[in-house]
Order: sequence, then C-alpha cells, then structure tokens
Amino acid sequence: DVVMTQSPLSLPVTLGQPASISCRSSQSLVSSDGNTYLNWFQQRPGQSPRRLIYKVSNRDSGVPDRFSGSGSGTDFTLKISRVEAEDVGVYYCMQGTHSPPWTFGPGTKVDIK
Amino acid sequence: EVQLVESGGNLVQPGGSLRLSCAASGFTFSTYWMSWVRQAPGKGLEWVANIKEDGSAKYYMDSVKGRFTISRDNAKNSLSLQMNSLRAEDTAVYFCARGTGASHWGQGTLVTVSS
Repeated sequence: DVVMTQSPLSLPVTLGQPASISCRSSQSLVSSDGNTYLNWFQQRPGQSPRRLIYKVSNRDSGVPDRFSGSGSGTDFTLKISRVEAEDVGVYYCMQGTHSPPWTFGPGTKVDIK
Repeated sequence: EVQLVESGGNLVQPGGSLRLSCAASGFTFSTYWMSWVRQAPGKGLEWVANIKEDGSAKYYMDSVKGRFTISRDNAKNSLSLQMNSLRAEDTAVYFCARGTGASHWGQGTLVTVSS
C-alpha cells in the first residue's frame, strides 16, 4: 500500500500570514491515465471533512482562492496564502492513484498562534 | 445540493453486528462510486470500503474483509454497510463519501464497540 506522510504535523500560524503543508507518497502518484490522484481535505473542529483540492491543484467549488495545491510525482504542497481564523483545523492529503486502498496522510493540525 | 445523511450508529458489544445506512440526495446516485471512511476518536481518516456505481465491484480494507459488507440500492439512493463480528478497534465515526475522489461527505454516525 502507498504510505502518505505529512509535515509538519502541527502548524501554529499567524493570522494574515502564509502557511504551507507538505505531503509525500511512498511511490509516484502518476496514474497510467496520466492523472495524479492527490486530494486535500480540511476538517474543522467538530465537522466532517471537506475536500478542498482534487488532482493536485484543482480547487473545489466554493473553496477560497487563498488555498492552492501543487506538486508532482511523490511531493505535494498545500498552501494558504493568508491564513484566516476559519482555516483552523486538520488538513489531510489522500491518494487515489494506487487504490484500493485509498490512503490518507496522518493530518496536519493548523491553529492560530 | 448534494446531501449525504448517515444513520445506524450505536453502542454494540464486541462480536455484535450493526448496519449503517447513508441516504443520498441532490445528485444522480447511480452514476457515482460510493465509499465508507472512518475516524477513530482523536485519530485520522481511514478508508474502509467502496462500491462501484452498479454494485458490480466492491473493495475493502484488509482488517474488515470477511466481516463488513458494503451494498447499495440505486432505486432508493441508499448506501449501506453491514458490520459483523465487531471489535473494539472498529470504534469510530463512520462517514459515507461520494465518488472515487470523496468530493462530498456526510456528517457521520458513531459506532462504539464496548462491553
């Protein structure tokens, strides 16, 4: 199974400042169809997960443009250009290229300094 | 608006059974893969199982194979998870999610396995 790692696991941020989360996979996530099935999810305290980004860099409908995804192969990044209070929560990356099983990263907890 | 509403979670003894349901609305249910994902208390997300649009293919995580069964009723826009031989380590909030990319999630239902 593909192992997903994230860093850091805890990220204290200052409101209005940028933030960046790294996600790495144990093998390339480029699929035989040419797509890379790497998604990012946000889980606010007490809420269900919400998908933010799909296939590395595509923002879901309604997701603020301060969120962006990038990367290729085995290395991926989620960036928040200017952190807002509503961005507090845990962020997960997930791969769907080598599935089953889908595999998730351990999560990165973002909170305000 | 896409809506996924899980139900059926409860307290059950080890070795017991439980059936979870997920009612879908706001989209053409029969054209999407569907999945179950769980989250143990204070832990991360863990994929459990998924099922193809017409139910012809089903996949499970290793630790639930032979104990859990995923199914769907496209006429009723409903997804189910039959859980047998439950263990303490199955204790979690169970979410249903739409599609192979988990674009939408329900609010979850809590399953507690304890004596």
